[in-house]
Amino acid sequence: NAGVTQTPKFRVLKTGQSMTLLCAQDMNHEYMYWYRQDPGMGLRLIHYSVGEGTTAKGEVPDGYNVSRLKKQNFLLGLESAAPSQTSVYFCASSYTFEQYFGPGTRLTVT
Amino acid sequence: GEDVEQSLFLSVREGDSSVINCTYTDSSSTYLYWYKQEPGAGLQLLTYIFSNMDMKQDQRLTVLLNKKDKHLSLRIADTQTGDSAIYFCAESIRGSQGNLIFGKGTKLSVKP
Repeated sequence: NAGVTQTPKFRVLKTGQSMTLLCAQDMNHEYMYWYRQDPGMGLRLIHYSVGEGTTAKGEVPDGYNVSRLKKQNFLLGLESAAPSQTSVYFCASSYTFEQYFGPGTRLTVT
Repeated sequence: GEDVEQSLFLSVREGDSSVINCTYTDSSSTYLYWYKQEPGAGLQLLTYIFSNMDMKQDQRLTVLLNKKDKHLSLRIADTQTGDSAIYFCAESIRGSQGNLIFGKGTKLSVKP
């Protein structure tokens, strides 16, 4: 039982490049979330999903897209990366009120 | 809108008690949480309290909730160097589909 895993762990992008972050959970959770964490800012919700095939915007959705084609996977896409998207990205999943977090992806955009 | 506030730093000596405080603004909170983040790692749920409770104790952890003042605290008894981490307070709002509002985190440093 791996819990929540995130791929990749680290990535450096140039401005304008695109990439997809993958989150996978093996707990059969309905709810999945993408957060970003910036120094002194805590965690801010980017997008979330309440079930397979559904997605919704969080607090800071601009510049990101998501997809939930399979229940166990939640993908976060950056179509045209900007330096302001340099951050640590966390995925989480939940069944009820407890969210389980992945280890994070550290993304640097130069 | 919803807001969760925490002090940014706390320093204690090993063996002392630590008290981390948090205030929140939304009175429709259903659950309030404390998460721990160690360097380079994700967040780990430490404990939570339902909004109709005043106190919850779990081994060395005591959570106190004052709904009137919208104040939440986490007390760690006999603090150890392994407790050094960032502690996040979070609230979930009724009807928010499980979304959490996080504070900015309190960095706890434990000196030997």
